Amino acid sequence: DSGVTQTPKHLITATGQRVTLRCSPRSGDLSVYWYQQSLDQGLQFLIHYYNGEERAKGNILERFSAQQFPDLHSELNLSSLELGDSALYFCASSARAEVSYEQYFGPGTRLTVT
Amino acid sequence: GQNIDQPTEMTATEGAIVQINCTYQTSGFNGLFWYQQHAGEAPTFLSYNVLDGLEEKGRFSSFLSRSKGYSYLLLKELQMKDSASYLCAVRRDMFSGGYNKLIFGAGTRLAVHP
Repeated sequence: DSGVTQTPKHLITATGQRVTLRCSPRSGDLSVYWYQQSLDQGLQFLIHYYNGEERAKGNILERFSAQQFPDLHSELNLSSLELGDSALYFCASSARAEVSYEQYFGPGTRLTVT
Repeated sequence: GQNIDQPTEMTATEGAIVQINCTYQTSGFNGLFWYQQHAGEAPTFLSYNVLDGLEEKGRFSSFLSRSKGYSYLLLKELQMKDSASYLCAVRRDMFSGGYNKLIFGAGTRLAVHP
């Protein structure tokens, strides 16, 4: 158990809908990273927040947005969902502002868009 | 841009040694990470190299040659539980705008047989 929690574990929704994925970092960690892992694309970095501020962006679609709240939990919002958005979504947390080996992944949320 | 290549699949026998290679092309290289990921689970950190040479950690070792853009993960005394995907990931330096994110390869699926 990494200490990072993600909810829900599974989510099934229809195309065009909007969903929110939630991540709680390990106690004391200020950084939250979001990743998407689909079968054909591997693990893709989406976005990084440190202490409430956005620090880095990867290949995140405009339909996706994220934020980190004062209590340090983070939410990833996915809207106008398409079939291709079906994937495992991981968040990871770290105590540091820069990415390091001390990055602990949560169990993931499996999103299925039908 | 950046490019990270790993073999898609490998098989090996229990008790044997296997070497998983990773080649990368990127500017501003600032570290290479190896993660293990069992199917449907979160990646877990295995090793980190930023300087040339070999890092040994129990049954796992990782090697880096920065001049060749090459790394390998060596797994000794293979066990059935080592059947998993092995992900190679590169971090870039702050001047390349990449200090806060990891770029992952597609992963190598290792199957260990009795």
